[in-house]
Amino acid sequence: GDSVTQMEGPVTLSEEAFLTINCTYTATGYPSLFWYVQYPGEGLQLLLKATKADDKGSNKGFEATYRKETTSFHLEKGSVQVSDSAVYFCALSDSGAGSYQLTFGKGTKLSVIP
Amino acid sequence: DAGVIQSPRHEVTEMGQEVTLRCKPISGHNSLFWYRQTMMRGLELLIYFNNNVPIDDSGMPEDRFSAKMPNASFSTLKIQPSEPRDSAVYFCASELAGVSYNEQFFGPGTRLTVL
Repeated sequence: GDSVTQMEGPVTLSEEAFLTINCTYTATGYPSLFWYVQYPGEGLQLLLKATKADDKGSNKGFEATYRKETTSFHLEKGSVQVSDSAVYFCALSDSGAGSYQLTFGKGTKLSVIP
Repeated sequence: DAGVIQSPRHEVTEMGQEVTLRCKPISGHNSLFWYRQTMMRGLELLIYFNNNVPIDDSGMPEDRFSAKMPNASFSTLKIQPSEPRDSAVYFCASELAGVSYNEQFFGPGTRLTVL
């Protein structure tokens, strides 16, 4: 079945540091890929998405590129801020499997310190 | 739009009691999802509906859990009887399936504590 594996946290960075959160996936079809973010006490929000190979999703300074050859969708940001402290979830939707479901990774908690 | 609305935001109950969680999806969305989030198991899909019809309930842990969607603007998740291991944050999400590449919009969650 489909699965998403992302790096375990927690990740603690100083403000303005470079961020990478690794995400790899397995899917039976040709999935769409997503990064969701969960701020403390809130529900998940879509951060960015990519629907085909080599697409780059970007939002709020975050980027991720759909790499079919390595089945990866790593999240990056060049300079993190304290306000980026949150839990980040990688997810996929395998429309080829005829399902509307999202398969989520376990989440990576990011803490950014001043 | 107000987004996905869930109630209550917090629920504390005793083991054996019935618990009902409520969700109002975004108007016009045709798919609704119930998730459970715990530290140990992460985010788990419990059930999802499309056009008010349950499509996949394989994630519902056991018969103590039931979910209904009587109309396009309301859904409930019921636990009867509740047990301490049901303590978690329960999220409802909605989506306009077939248009938005599975962009699900999440509610703020209900934090359930079963004593």
